[in-house]
Amino acid sequence: AQSVTQLDSQVPVFEEAPVELRCNYSSSVSVYLFWYVQYPNQGLQLLLKYLSGSTLVKGINGFEAEFNKSQTSFHLRKPSVHISDTAEYFCAVQRRDTDKLIFGTGTRLQVFP
Amino acid sequence: GAVVSQHPSWVICKSGTSVKIECRSLDFQATTMFWYRQFPKQSLMLMATSNEGSKATYEQGVEKDKFLINHASLTLSTLTVTSAHPEDSSFYICSLPRGVVDQPQHFGDGTRLSIL
Repeated sequence: AQSVTQLDSQVPVFEEAPVELRCNYSSSVSVYLFWYVQYPNQGLQLLLKYLSGSTLVKGINGFEAEFNKSQTSFHLRKPSVHISDTAEYFCAVQRRDTDKLIFGTGTRLQVFP
Repeated sequence: GAVVSQHPSWVICKSGTSVKIECRSLDFQATTMFWYRQFPKQSLMLMATSNEGSKATYEQGVEKDKFLINHASLTLSTLTVTSAHPEDSSFYICSLPRGVVDQPQHFGDGTRLSIL
């Protein structure tokens, strides 16, 4: 079975500061890794994905994530956040033989002016 | 543009009412769609997989008779919450898997269901 852990339920940060949202996963098989963002009362929007190849993945809105196989992590980073980045962020894994996503519990990023 | 259209976006109704939520694929013939439920401040939990022309596949612990899923065409899947009660109040989201790994799932905008 697969599982995803997002240790930080909330991350407060000031505007223009860097941020890292942590994600660790557990799986006995190879998986694909995703980060999604959810704005209030909306569905999920894909930020970035890791399928294979380079472990540093760049996504939309200036976000990037690094896949670390030895640490089974896929942390999300942004060097300088904006007020508009305030949202819920979900890390997710997907087995390579299925379409089903397993989500973490989410991290609420709150950017203050 | 939007790939998945989910309707309605917000429903408030009395206890005992049945509520139907629609999920439409706008540019892709979807043989499969996923239905998720999200309680406040919690993650998305997969409820069921709807399959075009056949029965839905429900996740463990999800009541089949409570959450009726119909996938009658390649562009439409519906979730009906039957005889809804306050504990069914939640955010319901559908998603459309593309069947190709480098094209991840597209999510609808969700339906906020509030049962009074």
